[in-house]
Amino acid sequence: AQSVTQLGSHVSVSEGALVLLRCNYSSSVPPYLFWYVQYPNQGLQLLLKYTTGATLVKGINGFEAEFKKSETSFHLTKPSAHMSDAAEYFCAVSDGNEKLTFGTGTRLTIIP
Amino acid sequence: DAGVIQSPRHEVTEMGQEVTLRCKPISGHNSLFWYRQTMMRGLELLIYFNNNVPIDDSGMPEDRFSAKMPNASFSTLKIQPSEPRDSAVYFCASSTGGRGDTQYFGPGTRLTVL
Repeated sequence: AQSVTQLGSHVSVSEGALVLLRCNYSSSVPPYLFWYVQYPNQGLQLLLKYTTGATLVKGINGFEAEFKKSETSFHLTKPSAHMSDAAEYFCAVSDGNEKLTFGTGTRLTIIP
Repeated sequence: DAGVIQSPRHEVTEMGQEVTLRCKPISGHNSLFWYRQTMMRGLELLIYFNNNVPIDDSGMPEDRFSAKMPNASFSTLKIQPSEPRDSAVYFCASSTGGRGDTQYFGPGTRLTVL
């Protein structure tokens, strides 16, 4: 069975600082990995995804993530946080079909 | 282009009443997903359809929940009878179908059962 662990349900960073949101997964087959963002009172929106190929994936709004098989990780980073990045972020894994298993989410707060 | 459309956006009902949530997927998408989001349980997949056929309903909590997709442009999630523990935000998502395809989420329906 597949699963996703997001370390830290709440993360606070200062505006302009590095954003690092952690995601570890377990999967019985080579995984497809996703990061989604949810702004208040909205649905989820895809930030980026890894399926095959290059392990460093770039997404929207300056975010990127690196798939590290040896560490079973897919951490999300952004070099410089903006106030508009405040939202909840979800990591998800698909290990064989269309179904996604989501992590419990990390709420990102940006300190002015 | 319109995204995934859900209605109503908010629903308040009393315990025991029937509730019907509606979803219109993005035109041309072949797969449709129903999720439930709560503080306690996070985001859970309830059921998904491919080409209007239910593929996996293992996440449907119990017989009080049912979902249909009579055609490619419409799906419903029904709860009968509703209970306070069903209070949650229900999301519909659609995709072109296939592993790795992006799921596009609707704005959700916030259900409150009193």
